[in-house]
Amino acid sequence: QSALTQPASVSGSPGQSITISCTGTSSDVGGYNYVSWYQQHPGKAPKLMIYDVSKRPSGVSNRISGSKSGNTASLTISGLQGEDEADYYCSSYTTSRTWLFGGGTKLTVV
Amino acid sequence: EVQLVQSGAEVKKPGESLKISCKGSGDNFINYWIAWVRQMPGKGLEWMGIISGDSDIRYSPSFQGQVTISVDKSIRTAYLRWSSLKASDTAMYYCARRISTAAYFDSWGQGTLVTVSS
Repeated sequence: QSALTQPASVSGSPGQSITISCTGTSSDVGGYNYVSWYQQHPGKAPKLMIYDVSKRPSGVSNRISGSKSGNTASLTISGLQGEDEADYYCSSYTTSRTWLFGGGTKLTVV
Repeated sequence: EVQLVQSGAEVKKPGESLKISCKGSGDNFINYWIAWVRQMPGKGLEWMGIISGDSDIRYSPSFQGQVTISVDKSIRTAYLRWSSLKASDTAMYYCARRISTAAYFDSWGQGTLVTVSS
């Protein structure tokens, strides 16, 4: 099982929108609507931001959204703010009844 | 609110054994699954394995045979054990909760830093 593929880094200016992609296979991302996204600030534990492709947990900003097409899922953050600067990881349930994470994407708000 | 509290940082020598823990608060622990996630220094998250409250266990192929996951539901605690540590096991280890009907991890422990050095 290989990690899901994410871009190493993305950047955007305050107020702009960015999208982070997460590419897997038909055995994981493409096989189920079980993609989740996690935000991790330096030195902190990850935090759930999106689950089941596009659902937001209570308390997560509606500037955060998720989608999926085929074997690729996406996380979009609109109206970028400085507090959004962090690492983002996608995760998917797999046909082996295990989970995979993506390699992570560093978001810089410039 | 569910909390997962992990045991403290460890410094060990290569070849030594180690068991770290993750204690859950609240009721219905039997309905939780606890996953373990590795984060090597400066690297990404790696899913290691998961255990249910009644000890159904699944391992990532990358970690099968390298670690042992267990649970003591009477004290709402999950464990991650190594029988012989290597320097490459140096990492932050997180536990994370999955409720039995979910495919995501909604609550995370604070992390346990394991340092293996001679």
